[in-house]
Amino acid sequence: GAVVSQHPSWVICKSGTSVKIECRSLDFQATTMFWYRQFPKQSLMLMATSNEGSKATYEQGVEKDKFLINHASLTLSTLTVTSAHPEDSSFYICSANRGRNSEQFFGPGTRLTVL
Amino acid sequence: AQSVTQLGSHVSVSEGALVLLRCNYSSSVPPYLFWYVQYPNQGLQLLLKYTSAATLVKGINGFEAEFKKSETSFHLTKPSAHMSDAAEYFCAVSFGNEKLTFGTGTRLTIIP
Repeated sequence: GAVVSQHPSWVICKSGTSVKIECRSLDFQATTMFWYRQFPKQSLMLMATSNEGSKATYEQGVEKDKFLINHASLTLSTLTVTSAHPEDSSFYICSANRGRNSEQFFGPGTRLTVL
Repeated sequence: AQSVTQLGSHVSVSEGALVLLRCNYSSSVPPYLFWYVQYPNQGLQLLLKYTSAATLVKGINGFEAEFKKSETSFHLTKPSAHMSDAAEYFCAVSFGNEKLTFGTGTRLTIIP
């Protein structure tokens, strides 16, 4: 149990377009979902924390208007990269937990390439 | 602020040799500590976690880690390396607020 999926697994888009990434908890209800960004050969940086039905909490330095997060249900969170630019190219990973202080379960990641 | 430091961005060991990946944390309160493994182009998989119970924690794939408060360390070990252990390993810390802070990672290479 505790499987988290992401869709798409990779996406290539043109500069200026918007891209939506989905994160789903397949066999549990996620109290909280997290979005991370990982540059090549680097660590994961937390972008934002989202709870179902409420606004996401963004980490310092993350543009909330650039990275729109919608947590519509207990099993789905979406990250929309608006007006994407080449510097937004990265590996985006989501995670979810099923209770306060519980383990985070990670999705397989989405590789975004902006041309 | 909480932080975690991984010494050695790249570690190479021979197949069958001991694996030791180092992690130190800084904190004024007891932390939760985690080790994750990441294979290329994949998400993270939890190897093991310390949440204030036993200080020696056993995880999956033969890995274990020992929490040493006096040394503020949580080093990851495996007695005998296998080729399939080649991956990126991340130490992470949390203080019960659900947010994880990751170390910079250690790439483990296994020499045949």
